[in-house]
Amino acid sequence: DQQVKQNSPSLSVQEGRISILNCDYTNSMFDYFLWYKKYPAEGPTFLISISSIKDKNEDGRFTVFLNKSAKHLSLHIVPSQPGDSAVYFCAASAGYGGSQGNLIFGKGTKLSVKP
Amino acid sequence: DSGVTQTPKHLITATGQRVTLRCSPRSGDLSVYWYQQSLDQGLQFLIQYYNGEERAKGNILERFSAQQFPDLHSELNLSSLELGDSALYFCASTPTGLAGEETQYFGPGTRLLVL
Repeated sequence: DQQVKQNSPSLSVQEGRISILNCDYTNSMFDYFLWYKKYPAEGPTFLISISSIKDKNEDGRFTVFLNKSAKHLSLHIVPSQPGDSAVYFCAASAGYGGSQGNLIFGKGTKLSVKP
Repeated sequence: DSGVTQTPKHLITATGQRVTLRCSPRSGDLSVYWYQQSLDQGLQFLIQYYNGEERAKGNILERFSAQQFPDLHSELNLSSLELGDSALYFCASTPTGLAGEETQYFGPGTRLLVL
């Protein structure tokens, strides 16, 4: 049973427009959420995170929104650039501060930003 | 460059064989995580070590084992290999391994192909 779901395998956006990537989760114990970006032949690279005590976190062009009641988070990229084209993974962890820091990942969304 | 190194980059072997994947964490990081990414799947957590001791276990098969050595590098041993074990294997590291408090930095991965 998938605890973290990214229902859109791919997304295509025009350069300069907003990209919105979505993620749903089922485990109410998750209290920390992250987005990673992955280029081919490379490992995932951390983008941005949010803890469950917040509903929004912003870092430059990247903003993550968390809706706990809907068990939904989204990543907004504004403005989108061709270099943002990559696979984006949503990840979650439970037991903030506990000794087991493993992440649960979604299957990823492939973002293509067209010039 | 995340500072996490993995060797080898590529590995091709036959069914029934045994292989060892190696990971060196970032300088100063005591916790190491192993993840498996099969085709079109998200990263699946396998196992976490902290300072030489196992801290958390995910969906790791009994044919797989891992250890973390005194110099903090880690090895993932995969034995009696099957075609379905073909995947990307990623290692990540953090300073303390505590949930939610640290960003996991990933290595470039080892691509395993079992023929």
